[in-house]
Amino acid sequence: AQSVTQLDSQVPVFEEAPVELRCNYSSSVSVYLFWYVQYPNQGLQLLLKYLSGSTLVKGINGFEAEFNKSQTSFHLRKPSVHISDTAEYFCAVSDVGTSGTYKYIFGTGTRLKVLA
Amino acid sequence: DAGVTQSPTHLIKTRGQQVTLRCSPKSGHDTVSWYQQALGQGPQFIFQYYEEEERQRGNFPDRFSGHQFPNYSSELNVNALLLGDSALYLCASSLGGPQLLQYFGAGTRLSVL
Repeated sequence: AQSVTQLDSQVPVFEEAPVELRCNYSSSVSVYLFWYVQYPNQGLQLLLKYLSGSTLVKGINGFEAEFNKSQTSFHLRKPSVHISDTAEYFCAVSDVGTSGTYKYIFGTGTRLKVLA
Repeated sequence: DAGVTQSPTHLIKTRGQQVTLRCSPKSGHDTVSWYQQALGQGPQFIFQYYEEEERQRGNFPDRFSGHQFPNYSSELNVNALLLGDSALYLCASSLGGPQLLQYFGAGTRLSVL
């Protein structure tokens, strides 16, 4: 079964500074990866996804992520953060069950706190 | 176009009680998955329904059960509630069977006292 590790539980960063949130997944023949954002008291919003093709994936709100198969990583980056980016970020991998159906395996999350 | 809707938004129960949470999938979607997100944790997969059958199940006890209706909406039932069942319960839907892309609702926050 797949697994996801988010190496940082909290990341403080000053406004307008760059940020990288790290995510590593367990190795698999094929892998589909996602980043979600969760604002306080809300559900999950999809930031970006990697299904195939270019390893550099661009998402909403200026975020991007790079799929690195050799390092089994899918780190999330933003060149300049805003106060409004303060939220919990989850990395997820799609896992195929024995019946060929998909479910998501989530990491434990990284709390991004943007400081003024 | 309505997204995934869940009800109620908040719920307070006491230990030993039973609870039912409801989910309406995004328009046109026919598959519903349920996830439990405990405080400070990532969501964990509970189970998934497609064509009114449970297709896949995570590592949750039998106290957790579900149902999918002909209109694709779904219910999550939890019996004999424990304090540890307190969590945000998220519903996700997808189109054409359990696909890669799942769309999440805002969740139901359950507090067990």
